[in-house]
Amino acid sequence: DGGITQSPKYLFRKEGQNVTLSCEQNLNHDAMYWYRQDPGQGLRLIYYSQIVNDFQKGDIAEGYSVSREKKESFPLTVTSAQKNPTAFYLCASSTMGQGSTEAFFGQGTRLTVV
Amino acid sequence: KQEVTQIPAALSVPEGENLVLNCSFTDSAIYNLQWFRQDPGKGLTSLLLIQSSQREQTSGRLNASLDKSSGRSTLYIAASQPGDSATYLCAVRSNTGKLIFGQGTTLQVKP
Repeated sequence: DGGITQSPKYLFRKEGQNVTLSCEQNLNHDAMYWYRQDPGQGLRLIYYSQIVNDFQKGDIAEGYSVSREKKESFPLTVTSAQKNPTAFYLCASSTMGQGSTEAFFGQGTRLTVV
Repeated sequence: KQEVTQIPAALSVPEGENLVLNCSFTDSAIYNLQWFRQDPGKGLTSLLLIQSSQREQTSGRLNASLDKSSGRSTLYIAASQPGDSATYLCAVRSNTGKLIFGQGTTLQVKP
């Protein structure tokens, strides 16, 4: 099956701990994105990457880190510096360049700080 | 900085009505615009993608239009059904690859 897989679906974290969310795609897409969604809100861009070993900050990058060592994978680490990490996290991917660059999303990870 | 706004934030209509959702953006230098649907607690499902050179796209009962010069897009849903109840989000892609979302419109279609 082609698509984007986010894991885990639910994640609980103690205050002061770092936690890493997984995002894997087998669509051969160049670009990958991480978003945060709070209740009743739209999506806010955390980080995005258009090519392996390169990524750019989005609008709310503070307290988060990413890596892009492989085309298929774009893990997001929520660090202890993120003051309010409880949220729904969504990963997306798309092609780049000419033609359709339709974005596709994973099913999300719900992170709760306990 | 690109800002995307969706109006209204919420909409409730009886089944069978035709309806229009609005999306506006501040920077007209976009690569494309995409409409998504989100069911509660789920990821996003792509509905329609309009390239910057296109004026509209259609899929079934859905029609999306784009007026790049005025910074506006509309999503038209014909003959609405209870199964259309969801949150609808629009997103614009800049020429640098950034994908920016509006806050969404939550639609309820009553039987």
